[in-house]
Parts: sequence; structure tokens; C-alpha cells
Amino acid sequence: DAGVIQSPRHEVTEMGQEVTLRCKPISGHDYLFWYRQTMMRGLELLIYFNNNVPIDDSGMPEDRFSAKMPNASFSTLKIQPSEPRDSAVYFCASSLTRRDTEAFFGQGTRLTVV
Amino acid sequence: KQEVTQIPAALSVPEGENLVLNCSFTDSAIYNLQWFRQDPGKGLTSLLLIQSSQREQTSGRLNASLDKSSGRSTLYIAASQPGDSATYLCAVLFSGTYKYIFGTGTRLKVLA
Repeated sequence: DAGVIQSPRHEVTEMGQEVTLRCKPISGHDYLFWYRQTMMRGLELLIYFNNNVPIDDSGMPEDRFSAKMPNASFSTLKIQPSEPRDSAVYFCASSLTRRDTEAFFGQGTRLTVV
Repeated sequence: KQEVTQIPAALSVPEGENLVLNCSFTDSAIYNLQWFRQDPGKGLTSLLLIQSSQREQTSGRLNASLDKSSGRSTLYIAASQPGDSATYLCAVLFSGTYKYIFGTGTRLKVLA
């Protein structure tokens, strides 16, 4: 397997624009996670899915953020409208189970909102 | 509040030295603890996963220990090499939350 695949790797957008980040988890993994990494706050869990169903979205900072997982092989994180403070690296991760196996991370999407 | 702390924040050592990275957490009720490595501009690579019932895990030159009662884990790197230079992150899965809480990491530099 190629691992967790995220696209794009880099995104620069203007304030107010819609941004969509994409993730393809490892095949067969039942759990998918979206994290955000900043210098100030480190790595924070935004939301996670189990079998395509959102389980906990308490980390989503505002209503401007939304995430979907229409099928087992694809997830999106959307920010609308984007703001400069959303600039960060966004990681997607997947794991086979929630408690007993490793989490595998993608390479991340570096988002810059100007 | 469940928190994870890593000390030191940065470490610089000469090549060949054995070193220990520390991770402490505030609640002993955990499912597991995972150590990751992050290279600049890259994602996280899983190094070792320790279940709550285990005391240690080993992989090559890496050994991670877990002491739940004291809320501590250490990552031991033997015979360090310049290629070990990276940021090392500790993540704890606390019982009942199903959320990994990450420490802020230790930035390691191994000098040739």
C-alpha cells in the first residue's frame, strides 16, 4: 500500500476563499483522523471517522470547518471561508483499529491563507 | 485536564552517544502510547507503539518504556547517528477519550 495520501501538498489561497483538502486512507483501515499542526498549539485532533461515520468533531474550531467521508477510500476537509489564522499543516491519518494498532500519517497539506 | 509533556524541547548530541527522550502524561488511565518521528516538512512516522499492558517495546536501536503509574515514558536511542536528527513526538491515547493527545516534541540534532 502507498500509505495515506493527501492532496494537495501545498495550498496558498486568499482570505475568504473555499479550501478543500483531500485524503485517501490506507485500504482496510476503519479509522480516519484529521489533525492540524501549528507552532503555537502543536498537533490537534480536529475530527475522526469510524467506518465513514464522524464520531467526534469536538476539535473542529468553527462552523467554517467541515469534513466528510463519502466512502472508505476518500475524505475531505473543507474550510469556507478561509482566514489567515487557518494557516497550518493539516494531516490525515488512518488506523486499523482505534486502540490497538498504530496510526499512519500522510505527508500533510501546508495551507497558507493570505 | 489530560496533558502530555516532553522534555527537553531540544537536544544536541555528538554522534555515537546514547540518549533518552522523556514523555510525561497527567492521567495513568491510558490505552496506549505511541512514539513518532517527524522530519522537517514531512509527516509523522510511527516508531513504536506500547500498549497499556506492556512495559517496553524495542525496534532496532530504539527502546521505549512505559510506566503508567508514574505517568512516564522514555525513548532510548542507542549509538545515535546524524540520520536520527528529527523531531520526536509522544502521543497518548487516554482511556475513554479515543483521542491521541500529542506532546510538543523534542527536536533532536545529532552532530557528525
